[in-house]
Amino acid sequence: DVKVTQSSRYLVKRTGEKVFLECVQDMDHENMFWYRQDPGLGLRLIYFSYDVKMKEKGDIPEGYSVSREKKERFSLILESASTNQTSMYLCASNTQRSYTDTQYFGPGTRLTVL
Amino acid sequence: AQSVSQHNHHVILSEAASLELGCNYSYGGTVNLFWYVQYPGQHLQLLLKYFSGDPLVKGIKGFEAEFIKSKFSFNLRKPSVQWSDTAEYFCAVMTYNQGGKLIFGQGTELSVKP
Repeated sequence: DVKVTQSSRYLVKRTGEKVFLECVQDMDHENMFWYRQDPGLGLRLIYFSYDVKMKEKGDIPEGYSVSREKKERFSLILESASTNQTSMYLCASNTQRSYTDTQYFGPGTRLTVL
Repeated sequence: AQSVSQHNHHVILSEAASLELGCNYSYGGTVNLFWYVQYPGQHLQLLLKYFSGDPLVKGIKGFEAEFIKSKFSFNLRKPSVQWSDTAEYFCAVMTYNQGGKLIFGQGTELSVKP
C-alpha cells in the first residue's frame, strides 16, 4: 500500500515566521507534488519535483520554495508566512514510468497563519 | 491554459436518490481523467480513472463516470447514494504535455441526508 505522510496535521504560525512542511513517501516514487486546497478553488499546484534536487514551479509558486534532497522526501518552505497562506496543504506522489499513474495523497497539513 | 470546471458547488440529496456530478475540461488533446473523493477528516483518495478504451468507467463504492470526448465531459454518477457518500468530490485532468501534473476542478461538496 502506498503511503504518503506529512509531518503535521495542524500547524499555527505567526506572520513573518519561516515554515517548513515535510512530506515523505515510501513507494520509491520519482514525482512529488505540493498543492494547496482552498474552499471553492479546489487544489492548486504550488511546486513539483521529478527527481532529487529538481523542482518545477506550479501554478501558484509565489511565496513558496521547495527542497528535495532525498528521493522520498519533499519539503515545502514558506520563507515568511503571511495570513493569505492560511490553507490546507496536500502532498502527493506518483511514478514517472507512465503518465497513467495515479497520484497518491497525504493526509494534509492545515496551516493557520496569525 | 487547461482548466477543469465542476458545475455544482454543493449538492444535497436524500438517501437512495441518484447522483450526477458534472465535470468539463478545456483541452483538445489526449487526456487522462480522474475523480477523487475526500471524506470528512480523511485524505484525498482515488474514486476512478479513465485512460483509454471503454468510456464508461466503474470505480469503487458503486460510482461510475462516462467520458464523452465530443462534450469534453467526464460526469460522475451513482444510481443510489448513501449517507456515507457525504464528501467532497474533485474532478481532475492529466494532459500529456504537462508532465503528469493534475489540474483539478473546484470541487463539489455532497451532503446526503439520512
